[in-house]
Amino acid sequence: AQSVAQPEDQVNVAEGNPLTVKCTYSVSGNPYLFWYVQYPNRGLQFLLKYITGDNLVKGSYGFEAEFNKSQTSFHLKKPSALVSDSALYFCAVRDMEITNFGNEKLTFGTGTRLTIIP
Amino acid sequence: KAGVTQTPRYLIKTRGQQVTLSCSPISGHRSVSWYQQTPGQGLQFLFEYFSETQRNKGNFPGRFSGRQFSNSRSEMNVSTLELGDSALYLCASSLGGNYNEQFFGPGTRLTVL
Repeated sequence: AQSVAQPEDQVNVAEGNPLTVKCTYSVSGNPYLFWYVQYPNRGLQFLLKYITGDNLVKGSYGFEAEFNKSQTSFHLKKPSALVSDSALYFCAVRDMEITNFGNEKLTFGTGTRLTIIP
Repeated sequence: KAGVTQTPRYLIKTRGQQVTLSCSPISGHRSVSWYQQTPGQGLQFLFEYFSETQRNKGNFPGRFSGRQFSNSRSEMNVSTLELGDSALYLCASSLGGNYNEQFFGPGTRLTVL
């Protein structure tokens, strides 16, 4: 079974500082990884994804994520945090080993609430 | 392009009633997935439809069902509502295929009294 862990429920960062939101995963095959962000009373917005290739993936709003196969991690990063980055962040995985065409099931982590302090 | 739309945005029902939620995917998207979001259980996969066929199903009781129409619009139904069904129900659409991300709607907030 596939699973995702986000070890931190809450992360506080001062505005202008770099931020990291942690994610580790477990799959039986190759992972297909995503980050989504959720603002209050809104659905999830797609930030970035990793399929294969470069371990550093760039996404929306200046976010990037680093895939590390040996550590089974996919941490979300941003060089300089903005107050508007304050939101709930979700990591998700799809197990490519059991994915046939269009198997869309995503397994989500429990979410990390990111607060940027002005 | 218009995003994923869900109706209604808010619903209040009482125990024992049934409810139907609607989702219109992004134009051209043929896959629609449904998720339940609660503070206790987080985001959990309900089911996924592609070309009017249910392809994947999560671990929810049979009270939760869905369908997809020929225009890719989808509905989910919950019968005999329980207090624990109170949640944000999110719909997501994608082109389908292994490498496409899902795009989420704003959700329907269901409250069961």
